[in-house]
Amino acid sequence: GDQVEQSPSALSLHEGTGSALRCNFTTTMRAVQWFRKNSRGSLINLFYLASGTKENGRLKSAFDSKERYSTLHIRDAQLEDSGTYFCAAEDSGTYQRFGTGTKLQVVP
Amino acid sequence: AQTIHQWPVAEIKAVGSPLSLGCTIKGKSSPNLYWYWQATGGTLQQLFYSITVGQVESVVQLNLSASRPKDDQFILSTEKLLLSHSGFYLCAWSLRGSNERLFFGHGTKLSVL
Repeated sequence: GDQVEQSPSALSLHEGTGSALRCNFTTTMRAVQWFRKNSRGSLINLFYLASGTKENGRLKSAFDSKERYSTLHIRDAQLEDSGTYFCAAEDSGTYQRFGTGTKLQVVP
Repeated sequence: AQTIHQWPVAEIKAVGSPLSLGCTIKGKSSPNLYWYWQATGGTLQQLFYSITVGQVESVVQLNLSASRPKDDQFILSTEKLLLSHSGFYLCAWSLRGSNERLFFGHGTKLSVL
């Protein structure tokens, strides 16, 4: 089966609120990345974590290799945060396995 | 249910030899199609995308070309491989429109020697 399970598949937030995206892994991963897809399909890197947490502005990500999950928290959501977000995890190899994405819509 | 099939799973090729990688999507008409590449230890780069048959947009120039001969088929190729082409190639599809989720194939691992 798939190694990376991402949820939710879609999310609607009111401006100013927050929520979390989550990726569960079926095997031990050594690192995780979070991306946002732009309108042309390019994947813009948001975070790379081998462990612990990282924060950048209104975004915060956490990765627990032992518990096999990673999260991306968005707080004080703005309209421009709308888009599709992906996690990708590295297993013992050197390549990444992608989740299927979360389509986020921020509404007024 | 939609399925995406990518082939081959792995390839070992000589420098200067030709390459053809394929991707087929079943169960979804007129999808957007994408090719991505990841160098060993690197991050994922988008190479091409296509919104319809016969129409392919290049995003990164890597001496590779792509074609969409049929609605459900996306081909990545070159006549002459370079060492720098080694890496992991991913095909993906999405529904038409912006901000759609991407569904990835299992990828092709290419080693150029």
